[in-house]
Amino acid sequence: AQSVTQLGSHVSVSEGALVLLRCNYSSSVPPYLFWYVQYPNQGLQLLLKYTSAATLVKGINGFEAEFKKSETSFHLTKPSAHMSDAAEYFCAVSDLLAGNMLTFGGGTRLMVKP
Amino acid sequence: DAGVIQSPRHEVTEMGQEVTLRCKPISGHNSLFWYRQTMMRGLELLIYFNNNVPIDDSGMPEDRFSAKMPNASFSTLKIQPSEPRDSAVYFCASSRDSRAGELFFGEGSRLTVL
Repeated sequence: AQSVTQLGSHVSVSEGALVLLRCNYSSSVPPYLFWYVQYPNQGLQLLLKYTSAATLVKGINGFEAEFKKSETSFHLTKPSAHMSDAAEYFCAVSDLLAGNMLTFGGGTRLMVKP
Repeated sequence: DAGVIQSPRHEVTEMGQEVTLRCKPISGHNSLFWYRQTMMRGLELLIYFNNNVPIDDSGMPEDRFSAKMPNASFSTLKIQPSEPRDSAVYFCASSRDSRAGELFFGEGSRLTVL
């Protein structure tokens, strides 16, 4: 069975500061990993995905994530936070067997202070 | 291109009433998902269709919930009878098999059962 744990349900950073959102996964087979973002009153949007190619994945809006098999982690980072980054972020896992079926983490709400 | 379209965006109903939520997936997408989002339980997968066939409905809470996909461009989620604990935002998402895990979400239907 797959699972995803997002450490910290709320993260607060100052504008211009580094953003680090943590995600650890559990999967019995090589995983596919995803980050989704949800802005208020909207559905989720794909931010980036890892599917066994390069371990450092770049996504939209300056975000990137690094797959670390030894740590079973897929943390999301952005060098400099903008006010517009305030949203909820979800990590998700799938695999070749599960295909389209994602298992989502509990989400991390990112707050950006001016 | 139009995204995933859900209706209604907001629904307020009384306990015991029937509720029908509707979804039009993106043209060409052959997988469709219904999710429920609440503060307490986060994002839950209710049911997954592939090529109009229900593949996994293990997340459907109970017999009061039913979902159909009569054709590739339409799906419904029905709750009968509704209860206050069904209050949530219900999301529909679609994807292509060739892009596993890349889900496109609608804006959601916010259901309030009084």
